[in-house]
Amino acid sequence: KAGVTQTPRYLIKTRGQQVTLSCSPISGHRSVSWYQQTPGQGLQFLFEYFSETQRNKGNFPGRFSGRQFSNSRSEMNVSTLELGDSALYLCASSEGQGLSTEAFFGQGTRLTVV
Amino acid sequence: AQSVTQLDSQVPVFEEAPVELRCNYSSSVSVYLFWYVQYPNQGLQLLLKYLSGSTLVKSINGFEAEFNKSQTSFHLRKPSVHISDTAEYFCAVRYINTGGFKTIFGAGTRLFVKA
Repeated sequence: KAGVTQTPRYLIKTRGQQVTLSCSPISGHRSVSWYQQTPGQGLQFLFEYFSETQRNKGNFPGRFSGRQFSNSRSEMNVSTLELGDSALYLCASSEGQGLSTEAFFGQGTRLTVV
Repeated sequence: AQSVTQLDSQVPVFEEAPVELRCNYSSSVSVYLFWYVQYPNQGLQLLLKYLSGSTLVKSINGFEAEFNKSQTSFHLRKPSVHISDTAEYFCAVRYINTGGFKTIFGAGTRLFVKA
């Protein structure tokens, strides 16, 4: 099976612009989560989708949004970019939802806001 | 609220020496515990997990972690490290809240193995 694929791998945007990141989960996985990784902060949970519905959300401003399509692919959008949004954005997929569910991560999209 | 604290941001160690990466968590509900590893320019990979049963869990590459409920800890250990173990290690807890299932991660510990 192919792993979790995130595109693009690298992105440079200007402050004030918006950006869309894409995540294709492992075939058969219906749950997709997004995280923001910055040095010293670790991974901050953004949101989780399951069967096209947002099931959980982290403490990020409304500029951060996401969606999941019927084929489980997910997109994350950040509007009105700020310098502090520069980070590695990681997507993780899992088969379903459950306490013991293992997450499989993509390599991430490195976003730089200038 | 749930939280995960990794007590060391960086751990330098010589090859073949033992290492312990510390993780403490705080939770008002039952949690499952995980350790993930991130090699340079890669996403995270599951290293091991504690769900129930024996409090000592082991990975295939020699790492082990022990769940200590009274101390709310899940420290990761390896008796003899290799250069290839150089990576960042993340402790995580997964729990149920009103919104559903959620996984939160610690800030990470960068393990640097020196020759």
